[in-house]
Amino acid sequence: GAGVSQSPSNKVTEKGKDVELRCDPISGHTALYWYRQRLGQGLEFLIYFQGNSAPDKSGLPSDRFSAERTGESVSTLTIQRTQQEDSAVYLCASSFSWSGEGYTFGSGTRLTVV
Amino acid sequence: SQQGEEDPQALSIQEGENATMNCSYKTSINNLQWYRQNSGRGLVHLILIRSNEREKHSGRLRVTLDTSKKSSSLLITASRAADTASYFCATVGGSRLTFGEGTQLTVNP
Repeated sequence: GAGVSQSPSNKVTEKGKDVELRCDPISGHTALYWYRQRLGQGLEFLIYFQGNSAPDKSGLPSDRFSAERTGESVSTLTIQRTQQEDSAVYLCASSFSWSGEGYTFGSGTRLTVV
Repeated sequence: SQQGEEDPQALSIQEGENATMNCSYKTSINNLQWYRQNSGRGLVHLILIRSNEREKHSGRLRVTLDTSKKSSSLLITASRAADTASYFCATVGGSRLTFGEGTQLTVNP
């Protein structure tokens, strides 16, 4: 597609359930980021994929969070045993290269844990 | 902690006025980027300035970069109500793109 696609757009889940968020990057983009943004705050880095290199997972807040990406295609972010503090907008961005030459963001998934 | 810090946190101006937002960062960078966000969803890339550049223009946007002070500024000239949004600076050092907390700009008609 023409842009970065994220699904679902909105997700309401019960505390303790697992959720899976999906990001479809722009075709050919080798770099992909996941960020979390709590209400009224800045973007918090979660994880970074670059081609077939080992991902930079240093931003994942706990072992309940994991992400996968096969090659340069779709990425999924999984949150296990969700907590209320996981409520946020989860944003995905992709780019052609690691040098950060202007990333394209998806519209995000708004996760609400009740 | 966030690499970039913007100030002010919030800025309210009248249509037609200029808006200036500042960003400071801590470590060496490859480039610095400014993004705009409407309604807390996806960000839109506005402009990128490389570490060896001092000033860059794009339409009504002017960005400066002072690597000795580790700071950047974004100037929006002749602001419009449609410029109302949150503006974030993001730095690229190594492979990581790190964002500041953002400036909420409100342009009153």
